[in-house]
Amino acid sequence: DGGITQSPKYLFRKEGQNVTLSCEQNLNHDAMYWYRQDPGQGLRLIYYSQIVNDFQKGDIAEGYSVSREKKESFPLTVTSAQKNPTAFYLCASRDKGQAPNNSPLHFGNGTRLTVT
Amino acid sequence: GQQLNQSPQSMFIQEGEDVSMNCTSSSIFNTWLWYKQEPGEGPVLLIALYKAGELTSNGRLTAQFGITRKDSFLNISASIPSDVGIYFCAGQPSLQYSGTYKYIFGTGTRLKVLA
Repeated sequence: DGGITQSPKYLFRKEGQNVTLSCEQNLNHDAMYWYRQDPGQGLRLIYYSQIVNDFQKGDIAEGYSVSREKKESFPLTVTSAQKNPTAFYLCASRDKGQAPNNSPLHFGNGTRLTVT
Repeated sequence: GQQLNQSPQSMFIQEGEDVSMNCTSSSIFNTWLWYKQEPGEGPVLLIALYKAGELTSNGRLTAQFGITRKDSFLNISASIPSDVGIYFCAGQPSLQYSGTYKYIFGTGTRLKVLA
């Protein structure tokens, strides 16, 4: 089945450690996104990539880094510089091949990161 | 970052009742999306709207793209217990105003259905 796979589902880390969240899609989508979700809030955009080897900062990029070496993969690294890393992280993708301004986002099932 | 105003924040309803929720923005949008999210899962796309005035149904769900292009509505008819979850709207601002293809999300409507 085509879809977006995020792994792991749950991740625990000690404060001060970097951690990388995986996102893989087999939908052949050009654009990929990382969102952060906190209780009672909407989704906030961390980084996005519209094409391989290119990415842009979203609204809350500080303390995060990404890479886009392959079309199907968009890993997110939560660095020790992120002040409040505990959150639910969602990866999404969209098809940019058609009219890029009206293709919906498709989401993975998320990774819950807990940093203590 | 910009967020949409989504209301209500939460609602308790009796099984069989109809539900309405909406999202509003101060800027013009060219796409509206509605998602449902269940605990511990990612949002699932329910309905996508692409034209002002468009009315689209998906089973018991109906959504409309506001004629002003600044709002959207989602209605659920004859609610059932499995409708429980958080419903999010997402809008894509008109490119000429935003300069990007980024979606903006509402804060969600938490729906609880009482059997």
